[in-house]
Amino acid sequence: EDKVVQSPLSLVVHEGDTVTLNCSYEVTNFRSLLWYKQEKKAPTFLFMLTSSGIEKKSGRLSSILDKKELFSILNITATQTGDSAIYLCAVEPGGADGLTFGKGTHLIIQP
Amino acid sequence: SAVISQKPSRDICQRGTSLTIQCQVDSQVTMMFWYRQQPGQSLTLIATANQGSEATYESGFVIDKFPISRPNLTFSTLTVSNMSPEDSSIYLCSVDRWETGAFFGQGTRLTVV
Repeated sequence: EDKVVQSPLSLVVHEGDTVTLNCSYEVTNFRSLLWYKQEKKAPTFLFMLTSSGIEKKSGRLSSILDKKELFSILNITATQTGDSAIYLCAVEPGGADGLTFGKGTHLIIQP
Repeated sequence: SAVISQKPSRDICQRGTSLTIQCQVDSQVTMMFWYRQQPGQSLTLIATANQGSEATYESGFVIDKFPISRPNLTFSTLTVSNMSPEDSSIYLCSVDRWETGAFFGQGTRLTVV
């Protein structure tokens, strides 16, 4: 059974801080690892990682995948209150299966 | 990116009744996925819906409780049948895009009273 473990489960920091969110996984047939931001109901797509060691970057957010260690991190620099959300990590197996999600990291940015 | 229109956005239902959630995609897709997110929990895959065949359900989910239709390549429905308060969740449909990962509908927040 595929498994995704995120840490920490919750995190409170001050505006301007840098945060690192962790995601470890076990999957039978790996295709990709995805990061999402969930503020209300629907998760919004952040990154998709398929190759090890390649950093994906978008503004203040970046992510990297280590396929050998089965691990990914999501970094957010110069955090803002608008970054407050639940950040979800998911793995996508090959084939026709859906995603397996971690429990998420609830990030709170205090002004 | 795909545009997925999901409705209703939210509903409050009496126990014992059923609710059908609809998802419309702006392009043809082979597979659509239905997820449930119970309060304080992460997303759990309910089933995979292919056009022209029966949906494939994950462990713990059965067709009698969550019947799914997939009449064409742009549309799917999920029905939550004989609801109980434990069914109160956010329900999300999703489509997969090889290059950019899965996209989600806006979600349906269901409260069963």
